[in-house]
Amino acid sequence: DTEVTQTPKHLVMGMTNKKSLKCEQHMGHRAMYWYKQKAKKPPELMFVYSYEKLSINESVPSRFSPECPNSSLLNLHLHALQPEDSALYLCASSQAEKLFFGSGTQLSVL
Amino acid sequence: AQKVTQAQTEISVVEKEDVTLDCVYETRDTTYYLFWYKQPPSGELVFLIRRNSFDEQNEISGRYSWNFQKSTSSFNFTITASQVVDSAVYFCALSEALGAGSYQLTFGKGTKLSVIP
Repeated sequence: DTEVTQTPKHLVMGMTNKKSLKCEQHMGHRAMYWYKQKAKKPPELMFVYSYEKLSINESVPSRFSPECPNSSLLNLHLHALQPEDSALYLCASSQAEKLFFGSGTQLSVL
Repeated sequence: AQKVTQAQTEISVVEKEDVTLDCVYETRDTTYYLFWYKQPPSGELVFLIRRNSFDEQNEISGRYSWNFQKSTSSFNFTITASQVVDSAVYFCALSEALGAGSYQLTFGKGTKLSVIP
């Protein structure tokens, strides 16, 4: 299994909603990542988990809250988002320097 | 600081033409890794190739080939006999070790390739 699976594929939410994005991998990778990608831009790193501990937070607003319940799962909890947070959210895991990406969650905030 | 430059924003070619996507990078590290990823409209970033800084051999995989030149800090990607399925955004990226087994990718801005039938 060489896949990173993300759910849901699409999400529409209001600014007062609370939702979660989920990411799962079964490749035994111990580093997992959240990236944000705006339209026509490259992905930007948000968070890095290494051995289930948050190691990097790239100055992301607190309305985004990551969680790593175990070595295979990575969640991104969303609360009180703004319309400018609409983007493609990509999860990745890595074996050494090679990152494997999921197909992303396309998020629209109304 | 690391930097990746993809000067070509968009390229259009007619099917069966060859096309080269340019990538120039900057890094102070002596050991580093370069990547190319493909992003079709579906959104997933598909890994194409990884090259470490000590291996300057060119690589060919089917219709894809890569030319790594350390002297000019370039890592160019050529598609031979392009097909409509090659239409996508292609990202060149440079890897930096963050520690504890994690890595950060610095992406170029991407090149959108459109292959016209």
